[in-house]
Amino acid sequence: DGGITQSPKYLFRKEGQNVTLSCEQNLNHDAMYWYRQDPGQGLRLIYYSQIVNDFQKGDIAEGYSVSREKKESFPLTVTSAQKNPTAFYLCASRPRARPEQFFGPGTRLTVL
Amino acid sequence: AQRVTQPEKLLSVFKGAPVELKCNYSYSGSPELFWYVQYSRQRLQLLLRHISRESIKGFTADLNKGETSFHLKKPFAQEEDSAMYYCALSRRETSGSRLTFGEGTQLTVNP
Repeated sequence: DGGITQSPKYLFRKEGQNVTLSCEQNLNHDAMYWYRQDPGQGLRLIYYSQIVNDFQKGDIAEGYSVSREKKESFPLTVTSAQKNPTAFYLCASRPRARPEQFFGPGTRLTVL
Repeated sequence: AQRVTQPEKLLSVFKGAPVELKCNYSYSGSPELFWYVQYSRQRLQLLLRHISRESIKGFTADLNKGETSFHLKKPFAQEEDSAMYYCALSRRETSGSRLTFGEGTQLTVNP
């Protein structure tokens, strides 16, 4: 799990600004995921990527965008179109042929 | 549709008491289920997977396909068990494997 890093730990942004959250892994995992965690709502899937240069929308993709140019990296951009961006964002990765995911420490985004 | 339900948002027990965190699921395929735990100020981590039939930190969970449940149990709770627990269901799609999480149960073990 220490092989998945997210930065920064805390992020503040003004309304109307885009912001990018970093997620890096050195576990050689093929798949990577982004979730947001809100109290009482569990984890909800934003985007996921099974391989480099490919990604899929999750359940709440509106207002977010991602890229997967390298196997190790899966950055998430929270755009100004996201209506309620203040949340705790979790990145995860998954090894090939196994269903369980391993999580990073998270980034807490606050929109001021 | 796939769904995971954890009916208790909050659960409070005393140290040494048995604890059971409930998880029910709906899934048309063959389920793979997990319990994840998030201790205060720590990252979410895998606790149990049903396929392993293992006991971790004294916790066990049995998949009951008839009742579509995967409850997490521990016979004697400890204060260090206080944490947020999530039940998760893995499903395979043409676009890959993904997890569906329940809403979570916050367990507090009182001294």
